Amino acid sequence: AQSVTQPDIHITVSEGASLELRCNYSYGATPYLFWYVQSPGQGLQLLLKYFSGDTLVQGIKGFEAEFKRSQSSFNLRKPSVHWSDAAEYFCAVGAANFGNEKLTFGTGTRLTIIP
Amino acid sequence: DAGVIQSPRHEVTEMGQEVTLRCKLISGHNSLFWYRQTMMRGLELLIYFNNNVPIDDSGMPEDRFSAKMPNASFSTLKIQPSEPRDSAVYFCASSLRPGQAYTGELFFGEGSRLTVL
Repeated sequence: AQSVTQPDIHITVSEGASLELRCNYSYGATPYLFWYVQSPGQGLQLLLKYFSGDTLVQGIKGFEAEFKRSQSSFNLRKPSVHWSDAAEYFCAVGAANFGNEKLTFGTGTRLTIIP
Repeated sequence: DAGVIQSPRHEVTEMGQEVTLRCKLISGHNSLFWYRQTMMRGLELLIYFNNNVPIDDSGMPEDRFSAKMPNASFSTLKIQPSEPRDSAVYFCASSLRPGQAYTGELFFGEGSRLTVL
């Protein structure tokens, strides 16, 4: 069974500082990996995804993530956060096989930005 | 293009009442997912469909919950009778199936916030 662990429930970062959100997954084969962002009262919006190829993937809003198979990790990074980045961030893993297209989500990391 | 459309956005009801949540898929998508989000349990997959056929309903809590896809673009999630512990935000998401320009991405609606008193 696939699973995702986001060890940090809540992170506070100063505006302009760098950010790294951790994500570890468990899956028997090569996974499809995703980061989504959720603003209060909104649905989930895709930030970026990894299927194959280059292990460093770029997403929207200046975010990037690196797939490290040896560590079963897919950490999200941003060099300089903006106040508008305050939200909840979810890592997800999928198998993308027929009959198993579902995504399994982590418990999320809430990001607070201080001036 | 319109995204996934859910209704109602907010629903307040009393215990024992029937609740029906609705979802319209993105045009051309053929997989449909219902998730439930709570503080305690996070995002849980309830059920998903491919081409109107339920594939995995192992996340449906109990017989009080049922989901249908009467056609390729529309789905309902029904709770009868509702209980206070059903209070949550229910999300619908759609995607393409593998093999059809598949990206693995799920496109989410804005959710239906259910409060059962």
